[in-house]
Order: sequence, then structure tokens, then C-alpha cells
Amino acid sequence: SQQGEEDPQALSIQEGENATMNCSYKTSINNLQWYRQNSGRGLVHLILIRSNEREKHSGRLRVTLDTSKKSSSLLITASRAADTASYFCATDESSYKLIFGSGTRLLVRP
Amino acid sequence: DADVTQTPRNRITKTGKRIMLECSQTKGHDRMYWYRQDPGLGLRLIYYSFDVKDINKGEISDGYSVSRQAQAKFSLSLESAIPNQTALYFCATSETGTPGDNEQFFGPGTRLTVL
Repeated sequence: SQQGEEDPQALSIQEGENATMNCSYKTSINNLQWYRQNSGRGLVHLILIRSNEREKHSGRLRVTLDTSKKSSSLLITASRAADTASYFCATDESSYKLIFGSGTRLLVRP
Repeated sequence: DADVTQTPRNRITKTGKRIMLECSQTKGHDRMYWYRQDPGLGLRLIYYSFDVKDINKGEISDGYSVSRQAQAKFSLSLESAIPNQTALYFCATSETGTPGDNEQFFGPGTRLTVL
């Protein structure tokens, strides 16, 4: 069964705007990761946030984690057309396996 | 990621045929994984291996088997393919590390169609 569930399922924004995606999960975790997938290709790791961290930045990406609410958000600032992709959250519970959510499809219009 | 390769990249086969998908990695990672992805959905874990002699079932292992021939190679077999195994299959690797740090590296995927 899916651990992480992303919201929204699809998001369409104008280039230059910010994109926010949310992920909710069900059980306690060691870390939460975000991955990006361009159409039909393999996933690429974007950022990892540990359970004892609340916020993390990487370039134009900002991830937050609220373990009390079992939720995370991914913010992409100043979006570009090249950011168009599907974004997945994945949770690591205890055995080093990742459980992936169903993803958010982001479309950035030029 | 060029460090994780999958063959074939595309395969069309018929119901009942045996199919093997292969994965090789040059990252030196101990851990390897096989996932399937169906349209519009996330990835579901089929099998995973934390070492050469270690094989573990994932969420959806029925109808699949795996072989970890070496640290760098992890093969997925469909003994008798059926149409609902039509999907995109991904291999991934990760390092053996401390808890809280297990980024996975994915291959480019194999698109399998079972007629």
C-alpha cells in the first residue's frame, strides 16, 4: 500500500511562479525524500530530510517536514519550464526500503 | 543515471513467455531494488536485495522472481508473463549506510508490454 500520498495530483502554473506540493504519510519514518521523474524516465533524487529536521533547502527547492502531522511539503521557487515533471515523495520507515507516493504532475507553462 | 543500466529498454512479448530484465550498476552499492510503475501511479516495490546472498519480497512479488548474480547485477524474471504485468520497470541501488541516509539511484527503466 502507498505510504505517502501527494497533493495535488496535478498542478499547472506559469513560469516564474512558485509550486508547492504536499505529501502525507501514515507511520513514523527515518526520513522523507523527494524525487523527480521526467516523462517515462527514471527517478532522480532531489532532497532528503531526516525525521529530526524541520526544513531543508537546496537551490530553488525548500522542503519542510512536520512529523506531528505526518506531512511534508516541497516548494519550488521561480519555476521554469524545465521543472515540468512528476514529483514523488518517498518515506523510509525502518528497513531502508522506500515507499513511494503516487506523485504530483507539475506543468510549468512558458 | 548512467551508473545504473537496464536491458532491454523496451520489450514486447506474448502471454505465457518467460522474460528476464537485467540491471547492472557501477556505483559499488550493496543494495538493489526492482520496482514497477503503472500509468499515473507511483512506484511499487517488487523485490529487493541488501547483499549478494540476500533476497527479500516487496509489496508485489507474486508472478516475479529475482537473482542477485553479483554485487553489480540484479535480474528480474517473469516466469510466465501476463498482460497485467505490462508496466514500466525500474531498477535502483543504494548504499549501506547509517539510518536516515539512503538515497536511491535509478536506472532508465524498461518498458514491458505483454500482449
